[in-house]
Amino acid sequence: QVQLQESGPGLVKPSETLSLTCAVSGGSISQFYWNWIRQSPGRGLEWIGYVYASGSTHYNPSFESRVTILVDTSKNQFSLKLTSVTAADTAVYYCARQDHRPRDYYYYIDVWGKGTTVTVSS
Amino acid sequence: DIHLTQSPSSLSASVGDRVTITCRTSQDIKNYLAWFQQKPGKAPKSLIFGASSLQSGVPSKFSGSGSGTDFTLTINYVQAEDFATYYCQQYYIYPLTFGGGTKVEIK
Repeated sequence: QVQLQESGPGLVKPSETLSLTCAVSGGSISQFYWNWIRQSPGRGLEWIGYVYASGSTHYNPSFESRVTILVDTSKNQFSLKLTSVTAADTAVYYCARQDHRPRDYYYYIDVWGKGTTVTVSS
Repeated sequence: DIHLTQSPSSLSASVGDRVTITCRTSQDIKNYLAWFQQKPGKAPKSLIFGASSLQSGVPSKFSGSGSGTDFTLTINYVQAEDFATYYCQQYYIYPLTFGGGTKVEIK
């Protein structure tokens, strides 16, 4: 059974870059879409973007100027970088997998990581 | 972006009750809707995709219905472990978007 585990600094200074990694275990990173989603009391659940195993990406326009999501298939992991962070980026960050039904173009979230709390503060 | 409105935002129920939560989307999303359950301090858990298909391992007391813009999550014979916050989410159009959540509390 596939499991996802986020890792990275829990504290980031304003204007710096937030960097997180999601390790995928119990399954291959191929043939799925891999997402970053965050949750905060004020903004609820927000989808940040995804990366496919090929490296192709799709970002939420709300984050597009600041976000990079990369995949490393050799390590079975993917990563998030969010630049120029502010206090508004304080949240729990989740990685999540999207799967799909055979012959269906649309991908649904089926597996979540446990989440990691990131606080932006000086 | 597609906006999702859940109602109610919270409800109280007794063990054994049937609970119904509604999710309305701002445009037609066919049946590309998912439901998640989240307990305090935990990650969301996937319950339903395709509006009505249960994720593997999810008990049949959970059911989903609807298409287009109006969707429903029903929990039959709610038990203590079902008290949580429930979210709907559309995956028809990017960016993926979520409802604001419905908190199900014990009466």
